[in-house]
Amino acid sequence: GESVGLHLPTLSVQEGDNSIINCAYSNSASDYFIWYKQESGKGPQFIIDIRSNMDKRQGQRVTVLLNKTVKHLSLQIAATQPGDSAVYFCAEMGGATNKLIFGTGTLLAVQP
Amino acid sequence: NAGVMQNPRHLVRRRGQEARLRCSPMKGHSHVYWYRQLPEEGLKFMVYLQKENIIDESGMPKERFSAEFPKEGPSILRIQQVVRGDSAAYFCASSQQGPGTDTQYFGPGTRLTVL
Repeated sequence: GESVGLHLPTLSVQEGDNSIINCAYSNSASDYFIWYKQESGKGPQFIIDIRSNMDKRQGQRVTVLLNKTVKHLSLQIAATQPGDSAVYFCAEMGGATNKLIFGTGTLLAVQP
Repeated sequence: NAGVMQNPRHLVRRRGQEARLRCSPMKGHSHVYWYRQLPEEGLKFMVYLQKENIIDESGMPKERFSAEFPKEGPSILRIQQVVRGDSAAYFCASSQQGPGTDTQYFGPGTRLTVL
């Protein structure tokens, strides 16, 4: 069945370092991918998205890379800050009804 | 410019009672989605609705769960005869457009605890 999974459940980085969070997806028909950030007790917050006709997209301090050959997605956060500490989810959009399929999440812990 | 609103934020019910969760989408959004999140897990799709229509309910349990999005008022997720396994965070999201690459924006969630 369809699934989106993450390689690492927890990632600990030093403040100021760059962070890379990885995600594997299994549905090759998915054409839209999103990264969400979820802080404790809050709802998922949209970070950045990418369509399947792109390999890379940049935002403010964040970059998403998509490798369709190996069905891999990554989120890069530059100069990680304490406020970046949260659980990060990748999600894919499949089917005709905008249903999001979420991975299990990676906890990013930023050490001061 | 209010985002997606959900209430209540926390809801406690005893086994066998009913839970009603409400969601008001962002202004101008006519598409609503409900997701459930168990502790330390990702969100699982439940149902997708437009005004007065259920578009996709493939993630809804067959019994006790229902959802609606009336012409006027918020979307409602209703859980009848709750059981402890229903304890979870329920998130609502909304989008402006329908199928396609349209961003879903999430509310703060309702945390349901069944005693």
